[in-house]
Amino acid sequence: GEDVEQSLFLSVREGDSSVINCTYTDSSSTYLYWYKQEPGAGLQLLTYIFSNMDMKQDQRLTVLLNKKDKHLSLRIADTQTGDSAIYFCAETLMDSSYKLIFGSGTRLLVRP
Amino acid sequence: IAGITQAPTSQILAAGRRMTLRCTQDMRHNAMYWYRQDLGLGLRLIHYSNTAGTTGKGEVPDGYSVSRANTDDFPLTLASAVPSQTSVYFCASSDSAREGFTEQFFGPGTRLTVL
Repeated sequence: GEDVEQSLFLSVREGDSSVINCTYTDSSSTYLYWYKQEPGAGLQLLTYIFSNMDMKQDQRLTVLLNKKDKHLSLRIADTQTGDSAIYFCAETLMDSSYKLIFGSGTRLLVRP
Repeated sequence: IAGITQAPTSQILAAGRRMTLRCTQDMRHNAMYWYRQDLGLGLRLIHYSNTAGTTGKGEVPDGYSVSRANTDDFPLTLASAVPSQTSVYFCASSDSAREGFTEQFFGPGTRLTVL
């Protein structure tokens, strides 16, 4: 079945780069997503990548996709305290519903 | 524009009681979803609805029911609450997928404690 896995916790110093990793199982997913959940709030779409791309850059965010290994990563450059949140990787379930399958989430803690 | 609203914000409930969590969206999205979020388990889909009048079971549907009488509302009912249903519940909605892309918009969540 479909499964999306992430490490649970990452701690970085302010100004450093953060790299959050994810592995997924459904090779037919056309899009993969990163959602951000700030404390006490719901999830918001942060960025996404189309499956025929290897990399997508959006300001401080870089998404890397390795389809062969089914590995997705999110790099945040110059990490700020406001980046402290839970980050969820998600893939589209390729049935008629287009439901999303979410990973367990990685809690990023940015230390001053 | 409010987006998605959920009510109540939080609730403490005695085991065995019936509870309905409310969800309303004003974006005219076709699809709506209910998730529960538990530490270390991420988001798990409870039920979903692709369009008004239809519903489907997600990953963890047992003990929960939903209805979709119209486009805007998608209530989640716990017929007889049990302590294992203590969780944070999120409602989400999305427009129909275009070429495989879909963005889900989330409500602020309901924190439910069952004692």
